[in-house]
Amino acid sequence: GAVVSQHPSRVICKSGTSVKIECRSLDFQATTMFWYRQFPKKSLMLMATSNEGSKATYEQGVEKDKFLINHASLTLSTLTVTSAHPEDSSFYICSARDPTSGNYNEQFFGPGTRLTVL
Amino acid sequence: RKEVEQDPGPFNVPEGATVAFNCTYSNSASQSFFWYRQDCRKEPKLLMSVYSSGNEDGRFTAQLNRASQYISLLIRDSKLSDSATYLCVVTPPWSQGGKLIFGQGTELSVKP
Repeated sequence: GAVVSQHPSRVICKSGTSVKIECRSLDFQATTMFWYRQFPKKSLMLMATSNEGSKATYEQGVEKDKFLINHASLTLSTLTVTSAHPEDSSFYICSARDPTSGNYNEQFFGPGTRLTVL
Repeated sequence: RKEVEQDPGPFNVPEGATVAFNCTYSNSASQSFFWYRQDCRKEPKLLMSVYSSGNEDGRFTAQLNRASQYISLLIRDSKLSDSATYLCVVTPPWSQGGKLIFGQGTELSVKP
C-alpha cells in the first residue's frame, strides 16, 4: 500500500517557540492531505484539509493563524504550530489520499508526531 | 450528539472469546464506513470497510445497518495480538471532500 512518512516523530520544545511537522507521501502524489490531532484516550480530530496549491480548509474551532499549513508540492505538506503552548501538546497525525486509488475515501496515515511543549 | 459514537470500553476478554463492538452515526447521508485499528501511540490502520451486505475477513465480521445508522464489528476467537483500540469511521456526504470522522474508539484488551 501507499506509504506516508512524518518528521519528526517526536519533538519537545519550550513554550512560545514554533514547531514544523512534515508529512510526505513516498510512493504516490497526494493532491489532498489531512491533519489530525489526538489527545490521550481521545479520538482523532480533523484539524484541516490541505490541498496542493491552494489554501487549507480548517475545521471549526481550529485557529488558522496558529496552525499554519502549507502544501506546496504533491508529496509534501507541512504543519507549523506557532507560538506553541503546553495545551498544544498532542499527537499530530497526517494522512494522504492517493487519487489513483479505486477507493476515493481511503486515506493512508503517517506514523504521527508527538509534540510536548514545556 | 456526536457524529460517531462508540462504547469506549475497555473490553477485557480472555483469549478465544468472541467480542462485539457497536457504533452509531448521526448523519443518515453518510457515504462510507470503516473500522480502523490503533495500537498504543501509533497511527490508525485500516482494518476493513463495512458494507450493507456485511463482510468478513477471517475472524472479523463487519455489518452495516443504514436504517438504524448502526455499524458493528465482531471478532471471533480473539488473540492477544487483537489488543488495541478499534475506531469506527464514517465519511460524510460527498460534498465534504472525502474527510473521515472518527469515533472515540473502543479499547480491547485480550488476556491469556
